[in-house]
Amino acid sequence: DAKTTQPPSMDCAEGRAANLPCNHSTISGNEYVYWYRQIHSQGPQYIIHGLKNNETNEMASLIITEDRKSSTLILPHATLRDTAVYYCIVRVILSQFYFGTGTSLTVIP
Amino acid sequence: ETGVTQSPTHLIKTRGQQVTLRCSSQSGHNTVSWYQQALGQGPQFIFQYYREEENGRGNFPPRFSGLQFPNYSSELNVNALELDDSALYLCASSLVNTGDLRSGYTFGSGTRLTVV
Repeated sequence: DAKTTQPPSMDCAEGRAANLPCNHSTISGNEYVYWYRQIHSQGPQYIIHGLKNNETNEMASLIITEDRKSSTLILPHATLRDTAVYYCIVRVILSQFYFGTGTSLTVIP
Repeated sequence: ETGVTQSPTHLIKTRGQQVTLRCSSQSGHNTVSWYQQALGQGPQFIFQYYREEENGRGNFPPRFSGLQFPNYSSELNVNALELDDSALYLCASSLVNTGDLRSGYTFGSGTRLTVV
C-alpha cells in the first residue's frame, strides 16, 4: 500500500515554480523518497530521489524536512510540458515501488 | 543507451483468453518488474524478477505469471482473462547489485490491454 499522501491536483502558471508537497509521516530510516512523473499514456519517468539531504538535478529540486515526514518537489520554471501526474514514493532499496494516485499538475499558459 | 521497450503497444483480447506481453530491459539492467495501471489509478506492482527468479509479488492471483530470460528480457502471461484485466501494463527495469543503494527503475511506455 502507498505510504504517502499528496494533493490530488494543482495548477501552476507557466514560468513559475511548481511546488508539489508530499506527506510520508510513517517513513522508516532506511526508506528513500522518490519522485516520478507520468505524462498521459506514457510510462512513469524518474525525476529525483533522496534520503535525508536536499537534492537537485537538471529537472528538479527535492526538499526533505529534517524529521523526514514530508518533502516538496520543486520544478523551478514550469513549462507546459511539465503537465503530468507526479508520484511521491517511499521505498526501501531493492524493493518494489508502491504508487499512490499522485498529484495531477496542470501548467497554465 | 537503449530504454525499456514493450510489445505490443495495444492489444484486444476476449474474456477467457490468454495473453503474453513482452519487455526488453534497458541495456545493462538485471531486474525487471511489471505493473498494472487501471484508468485513473497509479501503477500497481504485480511482480519482480531478478536473475530469472521471482523475488517479489504484489496482490495478484496466480493466473498472472512471468518469466525473465538470460538476456534479462521478460514476459508477463495472464490466463483466463477477465474484463477487469483491461489496463495499461508497464514493465520497468533496474540495475541491482550489492553496491547500489539507490537504484531506481526505467519504465517502458506500456501495453494497453483491452478485454472484451
